[in-house]
Amino acid sequence: DADVTQTPRNRITKTGKRIMLECSQTKGHDRMYWYRQDPGLGLRLIYYSFDVKDINKGEISDGYSVSRQAQAKFSLSLESAIPNQTALYFCATSRTSRDTDTQYFGPGTRLTVL
Amino acid sequence: KQEVTQIPAALSVPEGENLVLNCSFTDSAIYNLQWFRQDPGKGLTSLLLIQSSQREQTSGRLNASLDKSSGRSTLYIAASQPGDSATYLCAVSGNTPLVFGKGTRLSVIA
Repeated sequence: DADVTQTPRNRITKTGKRIMLECSQTKGHDRMYWYRQDPGLGLRLIYYSFDVKDINKGEISDGYSVSRQAQAKFSLSLESAIPNQTALYFCATSRTSRDTDTQYFGPGTRLTVL
Repeated sequence: KQEVTQIPAALSVPEGENLVLNCSFTDSAIYNLQWFRQDPGKGLTSLLLIQSSQREQTSGRLNASLDKSSGRSTLYIAASQPGDSATYLCAVSGNTPLVFGKGTRLSVIA
């Protein structure tokens, strides 16, 4: 079984709808991250969490919110989806050590907002 | 603000050739630098992590070097194979979590 799972894997929705993307991990890592990937722009950090009570904004947090329900679960919400939020979304995890914190990525969620 | 640049954006080589991918970053105050591989439509797989105190890391046919003072890293792939075809991403970790370059898309032609 995959260590980092994301649901759904694909989602098509309409402008103005509320969408939640979910991430679960079995690696026992404290740190979790949400990124989006756009062609030509690379990966950009949306939000990150270093433990259950710690939530931090990343480079592009506007229009997004997150919830860290447990150490193993980190959800990303789009309160009112808009077309320019169409992208590939990745969840990642890492251990606490900053010097050796290799990030482990989920398979991604492809979101299309019409 | 940390910026990461990867050159070239795309590269096509014949099978068996040795090749070098380049990564540069603007802020040398980093904790580590990582190289990832991404296959089309897939997630990222970590290849190598170099801590800020290290100069290089090796894994099989891959060797990554880090020159923190000049803000540069290279990923050397020896004896390239068609299975190496993918996008390679460089990322640095500092005061904020990973900042990624846009990647180099590698095609190895049999």
